Amino acid sequence: RKEVEQDPGPFNVPEGATVAFNCTYSNSASQSFFWYRQDCRKEPKLLMSVYSSGNEDGRFTAQLNRASQYISLLIRDSKLSDSATYLCVVNEVGGNKLVFGAGTILRVKS
Amino acid sequence: DTGVSQNPRHKITKRGQNVTFRCDPISEHNRLYWYRQTLGQGPEFLTYFQNEAQLEKSRLLSDRFSAERPKGSFSTLEIQRTEQGDSAMYLCASRGFGTVNNSPLHFGNGTRLTVT
Repeated sequence: RKEVEQDPGPFNVPEGATVAFNCTYSNSASQSFFWYRQDCRKEPKLLMSVYSSGNEDGRFTAQLNRASQYISLLIRDSKLSDSATYLCVVNEVGGNKLVFGAGTILRVKS
Repeated sequence: DTGVSQNPRHKITKRGQNVTFRCDPISEHNRLYWYRQTLGQGPEFLTYFQNEAQLEKSRLLSDRFSAERPKGSFSTLEIQRTEQGDSAMYLCASRGFGTVNNSPLHFGNGTRLTVT
């Protein structure tokens, strides 16, 4: 079983739609969680950290469910510019290795 | 540009040849990572340095791969006797002091390796 699993998609949505991605992780000792965004042929960039209480950044909301070992990302009012691959990233407690999921492809169309 | 710099951007080599990639992290960052990414996959962890010490290395990294960070600044990744399966994007990332929560990874543009 992979350490971090994501639905690869692609998710094809119209502009203005709300879309949600889930990610599951296998190591219950995992401590820190992130969503990174990767545009085509570009390097990954941090989108947001995921906190236990859930957190929001504009149109983006991240949630963590430790009991079920999953993380979610909700994007409201999708824009064309949101089209990218969204990578779920997990870090073990006390560790420095960040493990990436395979990514979920989002395509927002007009 | 004060971001993470990687050279070369592209490398085409014949099977069996050795290749070396260089990464210059953000200057104040003491932690440096190498990842490998293939099409349709997320970045796969290869190795991690804190200053000049290589503290973690993936089990997936064969003996043909070696990485160094001699003075705790730039790093090199060498692949000996390249194989076609080594074809991938090699990404370097760095981060500064503190926890991963307050010091996120910053990636370079990567080196795309093609082994023919």
